[in-house]
Amino acid sequence: AQSVTQPDIHITVSEGASLELRCNYSYGATPYLFWYVQSPGQGLQLLLKYFSGDTLVQGIKGFEAEFKRSQSSFNLRKPSVHWSDAAEYFCAVVVLDDMRFGAGTRLTVKP
Amino acid sequence: EAGVAQSPRYKIIEKRQSVAFWCNPISGHATLYWYQQILGQGPKLLIQFQNNGVVDDSQLPKDRFSAERLKGVDSTLKIQPAKLEDSAVYLCASSSLQGIAYEQYFGPGTRLTVT
Repeated sequence: AQSVTQPDIHITVSEGASLELRCNYSYGATPYLFWYVQSPGQGLQLLLKYFSGDTLVQGIKGFEAEFKRSQSSFNLRKPSVHWSDAAEYFCAVVVLDDMRFGAGTRLTVKP
Repeated sequence: EAGVAQSPRYKIIEKRQSVAFWCNPISGHATLYWYQQILGQGPKLLIQFQNNGVVDDSQLPKDRFSAERLKGVDSTLKIQPAKLEDSAVYLCASSSLQGIAYEQYFGPGTRLTVT
């Protein structure tokens, strides 16, 4: 079945530490890939997207993500987390105009 | 530029009552989306409009949910009658280009609680 999986429901990191959020998808074709962030009480904001080309994608707020076709993954990374990065992060995929979101990963940042 | 506006921000109703949500997209954005986000889950697309026409409503529970975008600008999503399982955040998004692959701008959402 087609699906988007974010294996980590909740992650806690210390401020200044590196971060990696995982996203795996199960689709027959290579989808378009997105990462969104949702702060409490706010709508979703697009961090970055991958359509084709360079598999390492740079986004806003210092985030980057790498598409790995062999692993069907699109993991989000940040080298140094700031307290303001605490939020919910959603991976999303689009195949044939059908957009599916993962269940999200909640990020807590410790001082 | 102003973002996507939604109202109300919060709504509490009893089951079997009706409720309506309003969305005003970013000016000039032809495509408008309504999503349902149940607690602990990612958003699920309910309906997509291109101007005032429906592009995709395959996941809209049409026996109780309806949506319209009469003048191709703002939109209303209605639930009648509401069920307990409709408790969720309802997100509206808009984009300037057709096709769900293009960047969508989200409103803050309406949190619905059905008791």
